[in-house]
Amino acid sequence: IAGITQAPTSQILAAGRRMTLRCTQDMRHNAMYWYRQDLGLGLRLIHYSNTAGTTGKGEVPDGYSVSRANTDDFPLTLASAVPSQTSVYFCASSDGENEQFFGPGTRLTVL
Amino acid sequence: LAKTTQPISMDSYEGQEVNITCSHNNIATNDYITWYQQFPSQGPRFIIQGYKTKVTNEVASLFIPADRKSSTLSLPRVSLSDTAVYYCLVGDRYSSASKIIFGSGTRLSIRP
Repeated sequence: IAGITQAPTSQILAAGRRMTLRCTQDMRHNAMYWYRQDLGLGLRLIHYSNTAGTTGKGEVPDGYSVSRANTDDFPLTLASAVPSQTSVYFCASSDGENEQFFGPGTRLTVL
Repeated sequence: LAKTTQPISMDSYEGQEVNITCSHNNIATNDYITWYQQFPSQGPRFIIQGYKTKVTNEVASLFIPADRKSSTLSLPRVSLSDTAVYYCLVGDRYSSASKIIFGSGTRLSIRP
């Protein structure tokens, strides 16, 4: 059982480029989340989805978009990357009862 | 949203019991208290969750006083591998994810 997978593991991206971070879970969880974690800080929620077909904004949604076409996948897109989006991005899922399962993270550097 | 306050960092030694306290003065009636552990370069991992009194699992214990304005995560006989950041979260167990906030956590360092 894989749990949650994220791709890529790391990426260096030129400012202004478009980038999609992939997240897939095989636990059939309804809820999925995207967080960013800046160096030495806690996690901040970017976007979330309580069920397939619905999404919502978290604490820091600007510059990011998400979609939830099915239960398993929850991609995060940066339409035009900026250096301030350099961070580690974690995807998570839950069955709705607060315990979240996290992926291994994607380390993104925007130059 | 119930905000939590934790110590920024703590140090201890192998074999000791470590207690990390979290303050959540504005906790709501339906809120649960959840603790996560995060190792470097990994995503957080669920440790324990509780509503009141005491909860114990194979990893830790969680003590919650009657007023629920604080909680204490207790790690028995820590080892070097318990060095990590520990996050205390407060939120309605069935509410939207937007209600869940990770603070900066407590950086626990265990020495030999």
